[in-house]
Amino acid sequence: QKEVEQNSGPLSVPEGAIASLNCTYSDRGSQSFFWYRQYSGKSPELIMSIYSNGDKEDGRFTAQLNKASQYVSLLIRDSQPSDSATYLCAVQTGANNLFFGTGTRLTVIP
Amino acid sequence: DVKVTQSSRYLVKRTGEKVFLECVQDMDHENMFWYRQDPGLGLRLIYFSYDVKMKEKGDIPEGYSVSREKKERFSLILESASTNQTSMYLCASSASGQLELSLHFGNGTRLTVT
Repeated sequence: QKEVEQNSGPLSVPEGAIASLNCTYSDRGSQSFFWYRQYSGKSPELIMSIYSNGDKEDGRFTAQLNKASQYVSLLIRDSQPSDSATYLCAVQTGANNLFFGTGTRLTVIP
Repeated sequence: DVKVTQSSRYLVKRTGEKVFLECVQDMDHENMFWYRQDPGLGLRLIYFSYDVKMKEKGDIPEGYSVSREKKERFSLILESASTNQTSMYLCASSASGQLELSLHFGNGTRLTVT
């Protein structure tokens, strides 16, 4: 079983819609959770982090964490074509252990 | 803004060559990492370093070594390049002492081994 699982997609949503990206993890001791965005040909960039159960909002982005169910999600409201990218979920299980999922490719259709 | 610079964007090397990938960060970060990224496999940690001259193996260290002689520089070494080491290599850094391990990535080096 992989440490971090994501649907590879592609996930297509129309412009203005809500995009929902999901991630599950296997280690119950995981402490912190991250969403990175990676445009094609570019390196990943951090867009959200969360470490407490519940929701964390930052502009159009909302990260949701449910430790009991071992899943973390990212909602993108009012999706824009510029949001089209691969979104990587990352889970921190120790001081220096960060496991990445394989990413979900999102396409926002104008 | 944190800047992580990888010395080469593209590299083509022959099987058996010794290959050096260099990474420099300018934010005085304690932690530095080397990942490789392959389609369908995601990002996999090769090695990381949490201090000068300190190193720890990641998930896939075989065939690689690292060097960290100065805080700002972390080098990845392929002792004898093989075709299965053709990949995108990403260097990253982060500050220590944080609850959240937020990584800052370089632009990547696409290595092709022929």
